[in-house]
Amino acid sequence: DAKTTQPPSMDCAEGRAANLPCNHSTISGNEYVYWYRQIHSQGPQYIIHGLKNNETNEMASLIITEDRKSSTLILPHATLRDTAVYYCIVRVGPGNTGKLIFGQGTTLQVKP
Amino acid sequence: NAGVTQTPKFRVLKTGQSMTLLCAQDMNHEYMYWYRQDPGMGLRLIHYSVGEGTTAKGEVPDGYNVSRLKKQNFLLGLESAAPSQTSVYFCASSPTGANHNEQFFGPGTRLTVL
Repeated sequence: DAKTTQPPSMDCAEGRAANLPCNHSTISGNEYVYWYRQIHSQGPQYIIHGLKNNETNEMASLIITEDRKSSTLILPHATLRDTAVYYCIVRVGPGNTGKLIFGQGTTLQVKP
Repeated sequence: NAGVTQTPKFRVLKTGQSMTLLCAQDMNHEYMYWYRQDPGMGLRLIHYSVGEGTTAKGEVPDGYNVSRLKKQNFLLGLESAAPSQTSVYFCASSPTGANHNEQFFGPGTRLTVL
């Protein structure tokens, strides 16, 4: 199963872009990269996912390198409400069980 | 839609007591999951279910049992609670779909075992 490596913490100024990196050098060709976040004490929230193309939705953008060994989650205009733990996850498991293995994530602190 | 709900929100048990945590979802999702989260750590998968009447073990299944008698409900049981089971428990559900299973999480149950 592919593992991910993320920095334990990052700071970002309010209104600036937050770029959260993730390494997944052992990712398999059919594994997707998912990002979730967990705001203090709440259940995790899905942000975005991708296979090999860059993806964008109303919350964030996901940039995946051509060799798929790393990716970056971009929050284009961070707000104080974006302070959370961000988890980069490579989907594991045979078939379509959808199991997610959470690491320790990156704690993003958005500062005024 | 209420989404994913969990009952109870908080509970304190004594060692050796038993209890059942209830997870309910109203989104007609096939898949349901139980996770635990300990301080400073990510979520760890306890058990999961890919459909009514089916269950499977996750990363940390020991000391827990589950049942999925109805599609909308997923029960997590502790037969004889231990202090090591003090944790926050999250339930999640997801729809089927090739290669894409966004999981929707409940608000969590905070369990303390004394």
